[in-house]
Amino acid sequence: GQQLNQSPQSMFIQEGEDVSMNCTSSSIFNTWLWYKQDPGEGPVLLIALYKAGELTSNGRLTAQFGITRKDSFLNISASIPSDVGIYFCAPNNAGNMLTFGGGTRLMVKP
Amino acid sequence: NAGVTQTPKFQVLKTGQSMTLQCAQDMNHEYMSWYRQDPGMGLRLIHYSVGAGITDQGEVPNGYNVSRSTTEDFPLRLLSAAPSQTSVYFCASRSTGQTEAFFGQGTRLTVV
Repeated sequence: GQQLNQSPQSMFIQEGEDVSMNCTSSSIFNTWLWYKQDPGEGPVLLIALYKAGELTSNGRLTAQFGITRKDSFLNISASIPSDVGIYFCAPNNAGNMLTFGGGTRLMVKP
Repeated sequence: NAGVTQTPKFQVLKTGQSMTLQCAQDMNHEYMSWYRQDPGMGLRLIHYSVGAGITDQGEVPNGYNVSRSTTEDFPLRLLSAAPSQTSVYFCASRSTGQTEAFFGQGTRLTVV
């Protein structure tokens, strides 16, 4: 079956630092989504990537869809305390239900 | 805007008890799904539905039943709760042709 690996599992950083996390899969996907889950809430979509090689930014967030279509990364620049939460990658092929990575728990020290 | 509404938010059950987790969405989405979230394991798909009257199993369906009699509602039933079902449960919905799924706030279930 398909394997989806997200790393790192957790990060504890100083406010203002940049953050990088990534996901790799054994399968090819047409779409890569990145979700954030605030404590006590459901996941919310941050960025959607639809094309291999695509680089997309949303404020301080930047995400890329790998050329092989088997991986993606998410960067957060100049982290702030409200960046705290769990970040999930969710690759997808049209018509299928989302599959989620194990999550990256981000903690930011003011 | 209600979006996806889950009830209850918290529940404690004794082993062997049954209960239904409710999920309702007001966006007229065709797709609805249930996930469970356990520490370090992300969200795992339990059951899903692509429309009223149609349901299918996900990655971890054992111990759970679902039905989809209307577009709006997708309840998840635990017939005989077990401690291994202690988890946070999320319901999600999305529209056909759209990739983004919208999530409820979750139900934290403890089985003792």
